[in-house]
Amino acid sequence: RKEVEQDPGPFNVPEGATVAFNCTYSNSASQSFFWYRQDCRKEPKLLMSVYSSGNEDGRFTAQLNRASQYISLLIRDSKLSDSATYLCAVTRHPNTGNQFYFGTGTSLTVIP
Amino acid sequence: GAGVSQTPSNKVTEKGKYVELRCDPISGHTALYWYRQSLGQGPEFLIYFQGTGAADDSGLPNDRFFAVRPEGSVSTLKIQRTERGDSAVYLCASSFLGSGANVLTFGAGSRLTVL
Repeated sequence: RKEVEQDPGPFNVPEGATVAFNCTYSNSASQSFFWYRQDCRKEPKLLMSVYSSGNEDGRFTAQLNRASQYISLLIRDSKLSDSATYLCAVTRHPNTGNQFYFGTGTSLTVIP
Repeated sequence: GAGVSQTPSNKVTEKGKYVELRCDPISGHTALYWYRQSLGQGPEFLIYFQGTGAADDSGLPNDRFFAVRPEGSVSTLKIQRTERGDSAVYLCASSFLGSGANVLTFGAGSRLTVL
């Protein structure tokens, strides 16, 4: 079983829509969680960390459900510029340099 | 440097050749990671270094792949007897292990094409 699984999509949504992605992880020892954004032919860039109590950054909200072992990303009022692939990542041990496991990414296209 | 620097940005080689990919991490970052990303896939973990030593090399696919970080800064990923299946983008990332979350910063990658 893969460490991290995501629905690859693609998600095609109109501008202004709200869209949500989920990502499941298999190891209950996972400790730190992140969402990365990757534009076509570019490197992944950190979008936001995911905290236990959930956190929000502008139009983006991330949540963690430890009981069901998934994290989610909600994007409100989608913009054309949100079109990208969204990767979730998990680590097992924060601050100890353990490897990050990434999902395959979910492709989002925001349509005018 | 200001960011993670990787060279070359593109490398085309023939099957069976030897290739070296270089990564210069963010100054002061103690951890360095190598990933491989194929089209339509997420980054696949290869190896990470804590200082000069390989803390975990469990992701290296076989013994044709090797990586070093002799002075705890720049790292080189070495691929011997390249195969067409090695074609991918090789991403390097670094992080500073301190208080707070251990966040990865990626370089732009080295795109390897094996003909």
